[in-house]
Amino acid sequence: AQSVTQLGSHVSVSEGALVLLRCNYSSSVPPYLFWYVQYPNQGLQLLLKYTSAATLVKGINGFEAEFKKSETSFHLTKPSAHMSDAAEYFCAVSKSFGNEKLTFGTGTRLTIIP
Amino acid sequence: NAGVTQTPKFQVLKTGQSMTLQCAQDMNHEYMSWYRQDPGMGLRLIHYSVGAGITDQGEVPNGYNVSRSTTEDFPLRLLSAAPSQTSVYFCASSYSGLADTYEQYFGPGTRLTVT
Repeated sequence: AQSVTQLGSHVSVSEGALVLLRCNYSSSVPPYLFWYVQYPNQGLQLLLKYTSAATLVKGINGFEAEFKKSETSFHLTKPSAHMSDAAEYFCAVSKSFGNEKLTFGTGTRLTIIP
Repeated sequence: NAGVTQTPKFQVLKTGQSMTLQCAQDMNHEYMSWYRQDPGMGLRLIHYSVGAGITDQGEVPNGYNVSRSTTEDFPLRLLSAAPSQTSVYFCASSYSGLADTYEQYFGPGTRLTVT
């Protein structure tokens, strides 16, 4: 069975500072990994996905994530935080990219300090 | 394209009442899913479908029924609502295309309160 663990339910960073949101996965097969963002009172939007083509994945809004098999991690980063990045972020895993069965982490709420 | 639409946006039910949450997509996606979102628990899969006439259970299926008679629609039924079903419900759809273009699309959600 697949699972993901997101370390830190709340993260606060200053505007302009590095954003680092942590995600570790557990999977019995090579995983497909995803980061989603949820703005208040909205649905989820895909930020980026890892499907084994490249270990460093670039997504929308300046975010990127690196798949590290040795560390079973898929941490999300952004070099410089913007106020508009304030949202909740979810890491998710699937054993196929048909992906009708996503397993989500518990989420990390990102707050940006002016 | 409207994408994934859900109705209603908000609903209050009394314990024991039944209702159907509607979900529709206009992208001709094969796969559709229902998730519930609870504070501190992320999203959990309730039921999913890989095509018209084919459904299966997810992680938390008890108390919910689904059917998929058309590609576009995937309603979620609560037969006898319980306070434990108070949650935000999300419908999603996707297709089994190329990995590079793959994405699961989410609806805006239905906020359900059971009193």
